[in-house]
Amino acid sequence: EVQLVQSGAEVKKPGESLKISCAASGYNFISHWIAWVRQMPGKGLEWMGVIFPGDSDTRYSPSFRGRVTFSVDKSISTAYLQWNSLKASDTAMYYCARSAIAHRRVWSDPWGQGTLVTVSS
Amino acid sequence: EIVLTQSPATLSLSPGERATLSCGASRNIRSSLLAWYQQKPGLAPRLLIFDTSSRATGIPERFSGSGSGTDFTLTINRLAPEDCAVYYCQLYGTSLPATFGGGTKVEIK
Repeated sequence: EVQLVQSGAEVKKPGESLKISCAASGYNFISHWIAWVRQMPGKGLEWMGVIFPGDSDTRYSPSFRGRVTFSVDKSISTAYLQWNSLKASDTAMYYCARSAIAHRRVWSDPWGQGTLVTVSS
Repeated sequence: EIVLTQSPATLSLSPGERATLSCGASRNIRSSLLAWYQQKPGLAPRLLIFDTSSRATGIPERFSGSGSGTDFTLTINRLAPEDCAVYYCQLYGTSLPATFGGGTKVEIK
């Protein structure tokens, strides 16, 4: 079974750094793009960008470029989303999702369960 | 950047009725590049439809997708209580970003 399992909820203060994870199983991790999606409280889905684990090729949405960093650890089939300096406006649920077809950026399936990030002083 | 606009924002229907959800693109897109997702409260989104009209594994035949160019539709026949959710369309492919529409909330009366 293809599965993405994300790390647990985080509570941080403004200015702190954070790295959340998305552990993949049940498929060849290095062959499928992984997308990151933000959902602010009570709002819709926002596509943040994608990373290809095979070579760490990364594409960021203009809205998120420079604010977050995507990375992977192929040895443990895990993708990461990182912030160097959090803001209160980063408070949201963050999802990882796998591109359904190997080597292509297509629809996302499956999705991780989400990681809730709360940034508050 | 292509913008996807979903309408209506909220749809309130009775069980057994048909729900018609619209997704409009700001310019022509290939039909092979549109997906629909269902998100129930407190859960992650779930893939319903890909390539405009192909149902994902395990999705009931009551759900169907159609459209081309700039106008796309998700139809839910014989609405059931478990269909209460927010539905999102998404553009994907090599043209980035992979935009989402704003969502349509389906309520059952």
